[in-house]
Amino acid sequence: ILNVEQSPQSLHVQEGDSTNFTCSFPSSNFYALHWYRWETAKSPEALFVMTLNGDEKKKGRISATLNTKEGYSYLYIKGSQPEDSATYLCAFWGGSEKLVFGKGTKLTVNP
Amino acid sequence: NAGVTQTPKFQVLKTGQSMTLQCAQDMNHEYMSWYRQDPGMGLRLIHYSVGAGITDQGEVPNGYNVSRSTTEDFPLRLLSAAPSQTSVYFCASSNPGFMNTEAFFGQGTRLTVV
Repeated sequence: ILNVEQSPQSLHVQEGDSTNFTCSFPSSNFYALHWYRWETAKSPEALFVMTLNGDEKKKGRISATLNTKEGYSYLYIKGSQPEDSATYLCAFWGGSEKLVFGKGTKLTVNP
Repeated sequence: NAGVTQTPKFQVLKTGQSMTLQCAQDMNHEYMSWYRQDPGMGLRLIHYSVGAGITDQGEVPNGYNVSRSTTEDFPLRLLSAAPSQTSVYFCASSNPGFMNTEAFFGQGTRLTVV
């Protein structure tokens, strides 16, 4: 069974703080790494699909980096806002028919 | 464009009852899948399908059946509900391969088995 680890499990920050969290995945048989944002009572929505080592993607105040050689990806949120409160999931694709999800990092941004 | 539609949104079952969770997508995606989400466990794959007529087991398939008679629909059947199947269930669809394509999720079905 593939191991996709996310840390920390949960995070509380103040509005305006910048924050980051980590997704670790197998460095062999890497094809793609996905990030999803999952708000309470809604369905997960994709933020980024990353495929190349050294890739860096950005969407507004959220950005992500990818290191496939060492098997990790960072998600950064600059100037957190209460509406950023959500669980952030990463998912690893190793070329099989399955997308393997981590357990997520639950972010709470306090006003 | 409806995307992925799941029904029902909420369901309470008695132990031993059977039911079908419906999932339909209108994006002509070949790949569809069912996940369950439990506290502290993330999303775990139950069953998936790479196209009409083809299904396969995921990580936690026991107690569930699926079929894929059309590209659009991928129902999940609970054969004899157990309290351990209390969970939130998500259906997802995507184009084949996850290299440059994301998964699209339904709104979820919150199931309680008493």
